Amino acid sequence: DVKVTQSSRYLVKRTGEKVFLECVQDMDHENMFWYRQDPGLGLRLIYFSYDVKMKEKGDIPEGYSVSREKKERFSLILESASTNQTSMYLCASSPGQGSRQPQHFGDGTRLSIL
Amino acid sequence: ELKVEQNPLFLSMQEGKNYTIYCNYSTTSDRLYWYRQDPGKSLESLFVLLSNGAVKQEGRLMASLDTKARLSTLHITAAVHDLSATYFCAVDLPPTSGTYKYIFGTGTRLKVLA
Repeated sequence: DVKVTQSSRYLVKRTGEKVFLECVQDMDHENMFWYRQDPGLGLRLIYFSYDVKMKEKGDIPEGYSVSREKKERFSLILESASTNQTSMYLCASSPGQGSRQPQHFGDGTRLSIL
Repeated sequence: ELKVEQNPLFLSMQEGKNYTIYCNYSTTSDRLYWYRQDPGKSLESLFVLLSNGAVKQEGRLMASLDTKARLSTLHITAAVHDLSATYFCAVDLPPTSGTYKYIFGTGTRLKVLA
């Protein structure tokens, strides 16, 4: 079974802090994705990566950055957290560059910025 | 810009009844995905519809795809409480670099009443 593990289920941080969300997958997938999920807006893509050290902006990259130093790990960074970044963050992975396969999701991190 | 719209956004139905969730998308795509999300949990893949006219069934759920109408439906037959969840459709975009990325619909929150 594919396992996508996000480091925290719940996280509370303060405005202006630098926040790291970690995601690890154990299936040797090339592709990894970060989404945020907000009521009424569905899932919106923040960043994705199709290879180590490669990253592409999604639809809402502002205020975020990512890091992929190893194939299995994809980190989302909030450079200076703001209250409008309070949300549920979901990490996903899928196999194969150019592959059109369902994504496998982690359990999510519910992040609150105070 | 690709848009993926689902309706209804909320659906409350009695056990034993039938209903259909609709997913419309705004640009050409030959593949569509359905996911389920239980409260507090991650998304799991339900169906991948690969071509025009594709139909897939799993238990009380049946999904279909009409690429000409840019429409997918998720039909629920004789609903049971266990089907209560949020259902998302997603369409993938051809890669500008590296890999396909998804656009998700807003989700349909289904509540089946006993």
